[in-house]
Amino acid sequence: QVHLVQSGAEAKKPGASVKVSCKASGYPFSSYFFHWVRQAPGQGLEWMGMLNPTGGRTKYAQKFQGRVTMTRDTSASTVYMELTSLTLEDTAVYYCARDPIEAFDVWGQGTMVTVSS
Amino acid sequence: QSALTQPASVSGSPGQSITISCTGTTYDVGGYNHVSWYQQHPGKAPKLIIYGVNKRPSGVSNRFSGSKSANTASLTISGLQAEDEADYYCNSYTLQSDWVFGGGTKLTVL
Repeated sequence: QVHLVQSGAEAKKPGASVKVSCKASGYPFSSYFFHWVRQAPGQGLEWMGMLNPTGGRTKYAQKFQGRVTMTRDTSASTVYMELTSLTLEDTAVYYCARDPIEAFDVWGQGTMVTVSS
Repeated sequence: QSALTQPASVSGSPGQSITISCTGTTYDVGGYNHVSWYQQHPGKAPKLIIYGVNKRPSGVSNRFSGSKSANTASLTISGLQAEDEADYYCNSYTLQSDWVFGGGTKLTVL
């Protein structure tokens, strides 16, 4: 059975960075792209970017260019999303999702990131 | 990239059918068949219910169907059930090789 398991909730100060992990299991890790999507409290879904686990190539949403880095560790079947220079507006649930069909068919459980002074 | 346009809310009675629209441009919805729909219940991760405009993943009820005309995609739910009450989001691939979500639609089953 396919699972994406994310790291736990984080509390950060403005200006800090956060790194969220997403461990895949139940299928060949390098077979499909990964995406990161966030959802601020009471708001909609926002696409942040994607990573090809074969080779590590990335594509980021323009809004996050220069602040987000997506990486992977193939030996651990894990992808990472690091967001820097956090502001209060970055408070959100961050999701990873798998993409085998130009759609996001399996999602992680979400990681709450709270930015507060 | 601007979000795709969805109605903020729709409602229907049990057994009825409802349709949620998702309007984009020729650079996203109108230009590609990579349109998908997601159902999200409160406090839960989104769930894929339609991909490739009109395909259903295994295990998704055939009460859910998708279509597209020009720059607008649509999700239809027939035979509404109480458990269908949730938020629904469309998503599309774009010309810039990005992906963009709609603003979301809250479905209320009366």
